[in-house]
Amino acid sequence: DGGITQSPKYLFRKEGQNVTLSCEQNLNHDAMYWYRQDPGQGLRLIYYSQIVNDFQKGDIAEGYSVSREKKESFPLTVTSAQKNPTAFYLCASSIGARQTTGNTIYFGEGSWLTVV
Amino acid sequence: QKEVEQDPGPLSVPEGAIVSLNCTYSNSAFQYFMWYRQYSRKGPELLMYTYSSGNKEDGRFTAQVDKSSKYISLFIRDSQPSDSATYLCAMSVPGNTGKLIFGQGTTLQVKP
Repeated sequence: DGGITQSPKYLFRKEGQNVTLSCEQNLNHDAMYWYRQDPGQGLRLIYYSQIVNDFQKGDIAEGYSVSREKKESFPLTVTSAQKNPTAFYLCASSIGARQTTGNTIYFGEGSWLTVV
Repeated sequence: QKEVEQDPGPLSVPEGAIVSLNCTYSNSAFQYFMWYRQYSRKGPELLMYTYSSGNKEDGRFTAQVDKSSKYISLFIRDSQPSDSATYLCAMSVPGNTGKLIFGQGTTLQVKP
């Protein structure tokens, strides 16, 4: 089945550690995104990539890093510089970035990160 | 002021009720409007996608956009307990970046 796979589902991190969240899609989508969800704040964009080997910062990129070496993969690293990393992280993808009818964004099942 | 405002609820209704969920926004350049449904501890799933003003119906769901008032709505007819979830409105940021701006989400509970 086509879709977006995120792993791990649950992750615990010690203070000062970097962790990487995996996101893989087999939808042949060009654009991929990382959002963070906190209670009562909706979703906020961390990074996005419109094409392989290119990505841009979103609204809350500080303390995060990404890479886009393959079309199918867009891993997110939560670095020790991120002050409050405990959150629900959502990866998403779309056919492209251009606004057109039907070019919608689809989400993975999310990864829960907890700092212990 | 946030670009997109959505009452977080929670909203509790009896089974079979008509539910109305709403969002207001401030950027008149928004043209694409979406509603996502999110079950607890799951990723959001796309429910409705509308372009500009007007209504769109899909089964028990109707999405309505009023650009003159900067107001969008999602109506759920004959609500079911399985509709209990958080509903997020989203709007596409102009500029062909693919970015979305989300409301906070409204938590809905449909009681049997």
